[in-house]
Amino acid sequence: DTGVSQNPRHKITKRGQNVTFRCDPISEHNRLYWYRQTLGQGPEFLTYFQNEAQLEKSRLLSDRFSAERPKGSFSTLEIQRTEQGDSAMYLCASTDGSTDTQYFGPGTRLTVL
Amino acid sequence: GQNIDQPTEMTATEGAIVQINCTYQTSGFNGLFWYQQHAGEAPTFLSYNVLDGLEEKGRFSSFLSRSKGYSYLLLKELQMKDSASYLCAVYDSNSGYALNFGKGTSLLVTP
Repeated sequence: DTGVSQNPRHKITKRGQNVTFRCDPISEHNRLYWYRQTLGQGPEFLTYFQNEAQLEKSRLLSDRFSAERPKGSFSTLEIQRTEQGDSAMYLCASTDGSTDTQYFGPGTRLTVL
Repeated sequence: GQNIDQPTEMTATEGAIVQINCTYQTSGFNGLFWYQQHAGEAPTFLSYNVLDGLEEKGRFSSFLSRSKGYSYLLLKELQMKDSASYLCAVYDSNSGYALNFGKGTSLLVTP
């Protein structure tokens, strides 16, 4: 088991462009979370899936953000019409539900120019 | 909502012991986590406390007092590689299954 993986690790884009990130959770983990982290801050919750169902979304997740987990395995997070304020590290975490411990991936660092 | 407070920065000497405090206010407390995060890397799990008391795991220990809304992470025999950010996170039943993080404490270990 290689842990949670995320791709790409880095993304630089111009304002107004769309970007998509991918997260592959640990095998057999049915819960998957997306967080956003800016410099000097702790991670902030964005959204959560149990299997393929998106069960919770933060108020931070504006209409420009959408997340999917179509087969209950990997997940994608898309940001449309990116803004400079979207620049952050986007972290994915997963857990199997038998414990509450969330295991994090290495993150995707987004820079919007 | 909830308020999670921890010191912004701490400095300690290699070989010493350091205690990082965390206070929280929440209505649906369901557990407290400590994570370690090196610059540019993912947070890695250190400890989980749901009941009052001390949990020891090698050089790292974590304490919880639910009545006081207080936790601390104790690091013994500090090593240079312990220089990192330490994140306190509360698991709150009122927030579904999300973790609510503090801003993190940046620990610098000096020779």
